[in-house]
Amino acid sequence: QMQLQESGPGLVKPSETLFLTCTVSGGSISSSSFYWGWIRQPPGKGLEWVGSIYFSGTTHYNPSLKSRVTISVDTSKNQFSLKVNSVTAADTAVYYCARHRGSYRDCLDYWGQGALVTVSS
Amino acid sequence: DIVMTQSPDSLAVSLGERATINCKSSQSVLYRSNNQNYLAWYQQKPGQPPKLLIYWASTRESGVPDRFSGSGSGTDFTLTISSLQAEDVAVYYCQQYYTTPYTFGQGTKLEIK
Repeated sequence: QMQLQESGPGLVKPSETLFLTCTVSGGSISSSSFYWGWIRQPPGKGLEWVGSIYFSGTTHYNPSLKSRVTISVDTSKNQFSLKVNSVTAADTAVYYCARHRGSYRDCLDYWGQGALVTVSS
Repeated sequence: DIVMTQSPDSLAVSLGERATINCKSSQSVLYRSNNQNYLAWYQQKPGQPPKLLIYWASTRESGVPDRFSGSGSGTDFTLTISSLQAEDVAVYYCQQYYTTPYTFGQGTKLEIK
């Protein structure tokens, strides 16, 4: 059974960098044609797609965040990661990692439980 | 960006009755070359991640009860729960994956009347 688990600091100071890792179990991140994505949800609000990555390193980002976001993959650890620079309170959210059902132009069928990241001094 | 607009924002339905949630996209999400609508529906319960219910607008994900169904094409879509159960209380989101940035509707909160 495919499982995803987010990990990283729950508190980040304004202007600093948010860093989260998603560990995939129950399948290899590089063994098939799946893309892997990050989605965030501010407390009490809706869902926002942040970006997605293929095991080769090909990425697609949301233009609203593109200048501050980097998604990377480490196939040896079966992990992919999210980095958001220069965070503000508006970046406070639950961050989910998820698997695209197929290519990057596909829906998201497996999700992690989510990691709450609070931006505050 | 494609804007996804759901209606209503909230809905209260009696147990055993039908619930209908609508989703409208600001441009068509129908890809002519494969005749597929790049539209999914998710269910999110408090404290949980979203759960995929429907993809390609009308294909039910494995394990999803058959009381959930999706319909529509182009820009107008509907999620129907044929006979509401207590465990269906949740927020429901539509999502387009036709083009990046992928976008979600604002959510519809479904409650028991």
